[in-house]
Amino acid sequence: AQSVTQLDSQVPVFEEAPVELRCNYSSSVSVYLFWYVQYPNQGLQLLLKYLSGSTLVKGINGFEAEFNKSQTSFHLRKPSVHISDTAEYFCAVSGSGGYNKLIFGAGTRLAVHP
Amino acid sequence: DAGVIQSPRHEVTEMGQEVTLRCKPISGHNSLFWYRQTMMRGLELLIYFNNNVPIDDSGMPEDRFSAKMPNASFSTLKIQPSEPRDSAVYFCASSPQFGGGEKLFFGSGTQLSVL
Repeated sequence: AQSVTQLDSQVPVFEEAPVELRCNYSSSVSVYLFWYVQYPNQGLQLLLKYLSGSTLVKGINGFEAEFNKSQTSFHLRKPSVHISDTAEYFCAVSGSGGYNKLIFGAGTRLAVHP
Repeated sequence: DAGVIQSPRHEVTEMGQEVTLRCKPISGHNSLFWYRQTMMRGLELLIYFNNNVPIDDSGMPEDRFSAKMPNASFSTLKIQPSEPRDSAVYFCASSPQFGGGEKLFFGSGTQLSVL
């Protein structure tokens, strides 16, 4: 079974500053890793994913994440945030192949201030 | 494409009443998922259908909850009788692949309040 821990429930940051949202996972098998974003009153949208290959993955809206197998982490980063990035961000993990339930973290609320 | 369509967007009901949430998946998607989001428990999978057949219902809380998928374009999640602790946002998601994987598309959710 897999589990996900998002280490920060809230992250306040000023506009144009860099940000890192932390995610750690645990699993006994190979995993797929995801970051989703949820804007107010909307469903979740896929931001980026790691399935295999390069450990640095780039997503939409200038976000990127790095898969670190030794540290079992998949932290999300953006070098310069905008007000419009204010949202809830979810890290998720699933086993690779077949039917593997997607397990979500508790979420991190990113608040970008002017 | 219109995306995953859920109705109603908001539902307010009294304890003991029956509640039915509806979902229309994206056309051509053969996998459908119901999720529940609460502050206490986060986002949790309730049930997963593939080709209209329930594959994983291990997340359904109790017998008061039931879900159906009578055809490829419609699913319902029913709570009878409803209780205040059922208050949450319920999301439907669909996918063109088995298990969802990296191709999971969410609806906008139904905000349920049970008084």
